Amino acid sequence: QLQLQESGPGLVKPSETLSLTCTVSGGSIGSSGYYWGWIRQPPGKGLEWIGSIYYTGSTDNNPSLKSRGTISVDTSKNQFSLKLNSVTAADTAVYYCARHRVGARVFDYWGQGTLVTVSS
Amino acid sequence: DIVMTQSPDSLAVSLGERATINCKSSQSVLYSSTIKNYLAWYQKKPGQPPKLLIYWASSRESGVPDRFSGSGSGTDFTLTISNLQAEDVAVYYCQQYYSTPPMYTFGQGTKLEIK
Repeated sequence: QLQLQESGPGLVKPSETLSLTCTVSGGSIGSSGYYWGWIRQPPGKGLEWIGSIYYTGSTDNNPSLKSRGTISVDTSKNQFSLKLNSVTAADTAVYYCARHRVGARVFDYWGQGTLVTVSS
Repeated sequence: DIVMTQSPDSLAVSLGERATINCKSSQSVLYSSTIKNYLAWYQKKPGQPPKLLIYWASSRESGVPDRFSGSGSGTDFTLTISNLQAEDVAVYYCQQYYSTPPMYTFGQGTKLEIK
């Protein structure tokens, strides 16, 4: 059974960089046919897609983040990561990592999510 | 960006009855070459990640009870939950995956409660 687990600091100071890692188990991140993505949900709000990466390193990003986000992959560790720079309180959210299919680009496996709070 | 708008924002339905949630996209998500609607539905319960229910607007994900069904085409879609069970209390989201380059957007969510 595929499992994803987010890890990283739960508290980040304003203007600093948020860094999260997603570790995939029960399957290979290098499998063709799947992208690996990040989605967030601010408290009391809806879901926002941040970006996705293929095992080759090819990425798609949400333009609304104004290039603040960078997603990378480490196939040797079966992990992918998110860095979001210049964070503000508006970046406070539960961050999820998830797998999505290349064909029907829907998110079929999700991590449990991790709350990241931006505060001094 | 394609904007997804759900209605209602919340609804309360009696156990055993039918719940209907609507989703409207700001432009068609029907891809003419594949004749498929690039629309999915998710269920989200507190403290849990979203769970994929429906993709291609009407294809049920493996393991999802058949009381969940999706319909619609173009810009107007519906998630129907028949014979409502207590465990169906959740927030439901639609998502489009039509955009190229990829820009996946979700509806604002519909909160389903038991009446």
